[in-house]
Amino acid sequence: SQQGEEDPQALSIQEGENATMNCSYKTSINNLQWYRQNSGRGLVHLILIRSNEREKHSGRLRVTLDTSKKSSSLLITASRAADTASYFCATDARSQGAQKLVFGQGTRLTINP
Amino acid sequence: EAGVVQSPRYKIIEKKQPVAFWCNPISGHNTLYWYRQNLGQGPELLIRYENEEAVDDSQLPKDRFSAERLKGVDSTLKIQPAELGDSAVYLCASSHDQLAYNEQFFGPGTRLTVL
Repeated sequence: SQQGEEDPQALSIQEGENATMNCSYKTSINNLQWYRQNSGRGLVHLILIRSNEREKHSGRLRVTLDTSKKSSSLLITASRAADTASYFCATDARSQGAQKLVFGQGTRLTINP
Repeated sequence: EAGVVQSPRYKIIEKKQPVAFWCNPISGHNTLYWYRQNLGQGPELLIRYENEEAVDDSQLPKDRFSAERLKGVDSTLKIQPAELGDSAVYLCASSHDQLAYNEQFFGPGTRLTVL
């Protein structure tokens, strides 16, 4: 079973608008990461937020983490066509004694020119 | 710095045939991961290596899947025999430290189609 679930599954906005994606998870975490995947490519790490942090910024990206609600959000401001991609949250989970990174099913973001 | 290299990028085979994927991680990264990504889903871990030791292979279907990392650098993932349900993208990733929940660097993946 997946630890993280993204919402919405798909999002389509106009270039220049802001895009917000949400992630919910089930168990306690050490950190939460967001990755981007362009069509036919591998995943690229965007940002990592630790469990004791509440907000983090990187360029046009803003990530929040609410451990009491077991949720995170990724905000992309002033979106560009190049931001069109799938975005995944990933959290750590322990399974059969081993710690591993567990990904959600992703949000497909489309930026319309 | 070169990223994670994977080959081939695409592979089409008939069911019951064997197939192998190759991965070369980022230089100096001791931890290597193989993931499988089904269409419309996030990646799921198959196996994790620390140097040449498989430290987590709990998700690897061992009846038909095998992996090796003999010298602790590059790695091969094999499926024999392949089934229709194995069609997916197989991603290799590496990381600098042993903490499996820190930043990982992904290769472009191998898209496998089983006919």
